[in-house]
Amino acid sequence: AQTVTQSQPEMSVQEAETVTLSCTYDTSESDYYLFWYKQPPSRQMILVIRQEAYKQQNATENRFSVNFQKAAKSFSLKISDSQLGDAAMYFCAYRKPPQGGSEKLVFGKGTKLTVNP
Amino acid sequence: DAGVIQSPRHEVTEMGQEVTLRCKPISGHDYLFWYRQTMMRGLELLIYFNNNVPIDDSGMPEDRFSAKMPNASFSTLKIQPSEPRDSAVYFCASSFGVLGANEKLFFGSGTQLSVL
Repeated sequence: AQTVTQSQPEMSVQEAETVTLSCTYDTSESDYYLFWYKQPPSRQMILVIRQEAYKQQNATENRFSVNFQKAAKSFSLKISDSQLGDAAMYFCAYRKPPQGGSEKLVFGKGTKLTVNP
Repeated sequence: DAGVIQSPRHEVTEMGQEVTLRCKPISGHDYLFWYRQTMMRGLELLIYFNNNVPIDDSGMPEDRFSAKMPNASFSTLKIQPSEPRDSAVYFCASSFGVLGANEKLFFGSGTQLSVL
């Protein structure tokens, strides 16, 4: 079964600085999708960024970027120029390719990010 | 669109009582998911529907849990009888098409369930 591990329960960063959140996963598949979700205090999960395993280029969304290392099964999230509004729980998630597979997302346990002014 | 709407936002009940959680997905979305979030186990998929049909209910913990989707705009998750270990945040989410390169999952704000 696929598993997703976030080894950092909590992280903190100074406003305007850069922080990297770690995620590793276990799979025997060659094609899959990876996601980072943000959960602010309002509880609603929001998609931050996604990566397709067959794409070598790392995904970027404004201040958010990933470092996808397929061989190492690593998928870290980098937040540049951190803002107070970035404070939240961040979840890494994995999904098998759609062909014949479930629509299930497997989530890590999350990393709580604190942004200090 | 108002997004995925869940009710109630908070529910406090006593052990043994029946609990019903409700969800209205985004209009036009054909997939609906129920997730449960606890400190110990994180976010777990309980069940999901495609075009109102349950596709994968392998995550439903036991027979006390049941989910229905009578039409495209409404789903319920029922726990009967409830137990203290059911205390968690229950999320409903919906998507248009399969998740992957172009589609994404939209979550509701969740129902915080406390079973005393």
